Amino acid sequence: NAGVTQTPKFQVLKTGQSMTLQCAQDMNHEYMSWYRQDPGMGLRLIHYSVGAGITDQGEVPNGYNVSRSTTEDFPLRLLSAAPSQTSVYFCASSPRGGETEAFFGQGTRLTVV
Amino acid sequence: DQQVKQNSPSLSVQEGRISILNCDYTNSMFDYFLWYKKYPAEGPTFLISISSIKDKNEDGRFTVFLNKSAKHLSLHIVPSQPGDSAVYFCALRDDKIIFGKGTRLHILP
Repeated sequence: NAGVTQTPKFQVLKTGQSMTLQCAQDMNHEYMSWYRQDPGMGLRLIHYSVGAGITDQGEVPNGYNVSRSTTEDFPLRLLSAAPSQTSVYFCASSPRGGETEAFFGQGTRLTVV
Repeated sequence: DQQVKQNSPSLSVQEGRISILNCDYTNSMFDYFLWYKKYPAEGPTFLISISSIKDKNEDGRFTVFLNKSAKHLSLHIVPSQPGDSAVYFCALRDDKIIFGKGTRLHILP
């Protein structure tokens, strides 16, 4: 029962470096999304996808890129990391739409110095 | 602009009493409303949901109420237990899921 798997769990980057946060799900879910959690700010939607080949921006997309080439994977790319991107990142997946619950990964704690 | 507002950052409730968490939203286009619970260092987990055609949904100790005219929903937990201490997020769903800022619930012994 893997569910939603995020890697890595922890990462420290220097300003200007690039990296990709990985997210994979084995539940054949159409919907996948990325959130960031910051103190006092709740969970803010970065990007989401309703199926392979389809992505859209969320509430805070600047500085992040995504692609969805397969149903299972939804990587989040930071092209040039900034200290403002220090956060905990969560990936989620669910069947598309309806009153269906979304399943979350365990999170990636990213620090940009 | 915030679409989902949880105006109480924290709430303390005596064990055994009722916990009431509130959420307001601005966009009437959302069809589904969800509550999630989050412990530290873990991902959020689904608690209960309600569709816009209903005004109440109950699951054990948890009941969600929806007042569409007031654009307000609430989560009732009764009786409150120590394991309920967590951060609770209200969320709205159409083709994406939007979360509020959360309310930290403390259950006091």
